[in-house]
Amino acid sequence: AQRVTQPEKLLSVFKGAPVELKCNYSYSGSPELFWYVQYSRQRLQLLLRHISRESIKGFTADLNKGETSFHLKKPFAQEEDSAMYYCALRISNYKLTFGKGTLLTVNP
Amino acid sequence: GAGVSQSPSNKVTEKGKDVELRCDPISGHTALYWYRQSLGQGLEFLIYFQGNSAPDKSGLPSDRFSAERTGGSVSTLTIQRTQQEDSAVYLCASSLAGDYEQYFGPGTRLTVT
Repeated sequence: AQRVTQPEKLLSVFKGAPVELKCNYSYSGSPELFWYVQYSRQRLQLLLRHISRESIKGFTADLNKGETSFHLKKPFAQEEDSAMYYCALRISNYKLTFGKGTLLTVNP
Repeated sequence: GAGVSQSPSNKVTEKGKDVELRCDPISGHTALYWYRQSLGQGLEFLIYFQGNSAPDKSGLPSDRFSAERTGGSVSTLTIQRTQQEDSAVYLCASSLAGDYEQYFGPGTRLTVT
């Protein structure tokens, strides 16, 4: 069965430091992966999608099929990056399987 | 434009009572999803509606949970005989058919006492 694992429930870094939020998946098919973000008192929203290979708010994520990973990275964290981040795997044309999320805190 | 709306924003109910949660999707979005967000459990898929097709109910945790979507727009999630373990934030999302991006509502926080 498909599964998304985010090993860190909490991650704390200082402003300006690099940050990496880990995501591993298990799926026998061709994966389509996403990162969603939920800022404090805001709605859950799409951050980025692996197919687009773009950088959003300085974040990038590369799909590594060999390691079945889709880690989210940013070279210099900002305080406004503090949020809950969810990695998600799309296994059909609609169903998303989410990880349990990582709460990122960027300290001043 | 208007996003996905959900009501009520908060609901406190006694164990054993029934509750109804409402979702208004973005106009024109034919796909509608319900998720449950529990502390430490991430987001759990509950049910999916697409147009007039039969819904995918594979994520509903028990037969106390049901959902309907009237007229291809508004959806209601009903939980009968609520239990304390039903306490969670219930999120609704909508999307265009086959589109990868789901747009989420603000959620309904359900507390069962």
